[in-house]
Amino acid sequence: AQSVTQLDSQVPVFEEAPVELRCNYSSSVSVYLFWYVQYPNQGLQLLLKYLSGSTLVESINGFEAEFNKSQTSFHLRKPSVHISDTAEYFCAVSATGFQKLVFGTGTRLLVSP
Amino acid sequence: AAGVIQSPRHLIKEKRETATLKCYPIPRHDTVYWYQQGPGQDPQFLISFYEKMQSDKGSIPDRFSAQQFSDYHSELNMSSLELGDSALYFCASSVLRDHGNTIYFGEGSWLTVV
Repeated sequence: AQSVTQLDSQVPVFEEAPVELRCNYSSSVSVYLFWYVQYPNQGLQLLLKYLSGSTLVESINGFEAEFNKSQTSFHLRKPSVHISDTAEYFCAVSATGFQKLVFGTGTRLLVSP
Repeated sequence: AAGVIQSPRHLIKEKRETATLKCYPIPRHDTVYWYQQGPGQDPQFLISFYEKMQSDKGSIPDRFSAQQFSDYHSELNMSSLELGDSALYFCASSVLRDHGNTIYFGEGSWLTVV
């Protein structure tokens, strides 16, 4: 079975500051890793994913995440956040070859002016 | 591009009533998933279907049932509703043989049980 730990339930940050949202996973088999974002009162949107190959993956809106197998981590980073990045961010994992996603408990990113 | 369509978007029911949520997956997606997200909680997997057959089952209560129809749309039926069933219910879809099996979520259906 897989599990995901998001250590920070809430991360407050000022606009234009860098941010890192931490995600650690546990699995006895190979996994795919995902970050989803949920804006207030909206659904889940895929932000980025790691399947294989380069351990650094990027999204179109400036986020990036790096897969670290030895540390079983997939931390999400952005060098300069905007007010509009305020949302709940969920890290998720699925075992390769299977479909079900297992989510972490989420990290609320609060960006203030 | 077409996304996962869920209906209704909002639903209010009384305790012990029945509710039905509908989901229309992205065209040509062969797998449908249902997730439940309680207030302030992470999404919890309920059940999934591949080619109209149940493929996996999670923490779905016995009071709930689901099926996928020949046109690939899916319905989640919830009976004897309890206050604790109030949640955001997500439907999602994917292509099983797609590398990485990226799962796309709908906007969700808000169920409030009063």
